[in-house]
Amino acid sequence: NAGVMQNPRHLVRRRGQEARLRCSPVKGHSHVYWYRQLPEEGLKFMVYLQKENIIDESGMPKERFSAEFPKEGPSILRIQQVVRGDSAAYFCASSPFDSFTNYGYTFGSGTRLTVV
Amino acid sequence: DQQVKQNSPSLSVQEGRISILNCDYTNSMFDYFLWYKKYPAEGPTFLISISSIKDKNEDGRFTVFLNKSAKHLSLHIVPSQPGDSAVYFCAASAKGDYKLSFGAGTTVTVRA
Repeated sequence: NAGVMQNPRHLVRRRGQEARLRCSPVKGHSHVYWYRQLPEEGLKFMVYLQKENIIDESGMPKERFSAEFPKEGPSILRIQQVVRGDSAAYFCASSPFDSFTNYGYTFGSGTRLTVV
Repeated sequence: DQQVKQNSPSLSVQEGRISILNCDYTNSMFDYFLWYKKYPAEGPTFLISISSIKDKNEDGRFTVFLNKSAKHLSLHIVPSQPGDSAVYFCAASAKGDYKLSFGAGTTVTVRA
């Protein structure tokens, strides 16, 4: 299956710990996007990355959150010192271009982060 | 600021009947609209899209209608099937933008 792979599927962290979420895009896709879905809400854009570059992080909280997409390996969304409000589903998407094709993005199955 | 709104959180429909999902948007710069379907514990899956130069796009049982003057779009599913039971998200994007703005979703339940 050449889809977007996210791991872990579920992640439980205590307040103050770090959370690292991984995303491997569709093979051949060089554009990665992270979205967050809070309970009872739609998905909200966080960050857009290309290989080794952050293109747009306007949707990401200024503190505690960071993202990277290294030359080799998956994209990583890192949340330091997690708080209860970080509990959400985090979805990664990839595309071969920096804009939509007729089929939009390909989304992964998400990582459900629970902060206790 | 919620730029895409799905005002019906849920919809229940009998198998074989039509499901109509509605979506309103406020940003006049949006010119591309998509519907995604999402099952529990899975990611959103692209369903159908429409460009602002059209007012209708059809793909099998799914049709999306766009009313630009009203800033409104709808998704029609005919006939509804049990496998259609899922959460449906409306999403929109401005021309040349890579960011999608999503609605909060409508949960569709198809009754046998």
